[in-house]
Amino acid sequence: GAGVSQSPSNKVTEKGKDVELRCDPISGHTALYWYRQSLGQGLEFLIYFQGNSAPDKSGLPSDRFSAERTGGSVSTLTIQRTQQEDSAVYLCASSPPTGLAGGGYEQYFGPGTRLTVT
Amino acid sequence: AQSVAQPEDQVNVAEGNPLTVKCTYSVSGNPYLFWYVQYPNRGLQFLLKYITGDNLVKGSYGFEAEFNKSQTSFHLKKPSALVSDSALYFCAVRDMNTGNQFYFGTGTSLTVIP
Repeated sequence: GAGVSQSPSNKVTEKGKDVELRCDPISGHTALYWYRQSLGQGLEFLIYFQGNSAPDKSGLPSDRFSAERTGGSVSTLTIQRTQQEDSAVYLCASSPPTGLAGGGYEQYFGPGTRLTVT
Repeated sequence: AQSVAQPEDQVNVAEGNPLTVKCTYSVSGNPYLFWYVQYPNRGLQFLLKYITGDNLVKGSYGFEAEFNKSQTSFHLKKPSALVSDSALYFCAVRDMNTGNQFYFGTGTSLTVIP
């Protein structure tokens, strides 16, 4: 079946401009995560959505970052007034519902959006 | 604080030899442990996980990993490496007592030499 998709695949923007990154999770997956991957670094958690619950925004690096998830499906990560240090690959992942026997929790990642701020 | 360490940035192994990619973790509660692989120009792919039960878990492409609670380790292993196994490998942990975050290591680049 279809995997997680992200758009655009590449985005070049000027410093100070706003950008929107889109994520389409796998159908039926209730959890959705956003991460940032910088060169030579691990994945930095940004935000987590689970069903209709309030999102866990504890990883957002500043108030310039925000995300929403509409209808429990598509998610948009918005970065306002972009800075050069925002340049990175932004990854989205979704997870299936968890089961009593520990099923679920594994994440299925999209191909990422490479953001370059000039 | 919760964390994951992958002590080797780079691992080289000859084709056909066994491979090990190391991972240690630090959590305050019960860990859920994962391995992911990232091939060049592709997204991360789930390999295997430890949630509960048998300490030895088997995953995709012939990989396996052993959960060692006393050593707080979750090393990834394969009995016979293939050139196609060359990729970037990430270990991740979720502390089920403290929230929703997954903590990822910085990755280990595996090169299998023909």
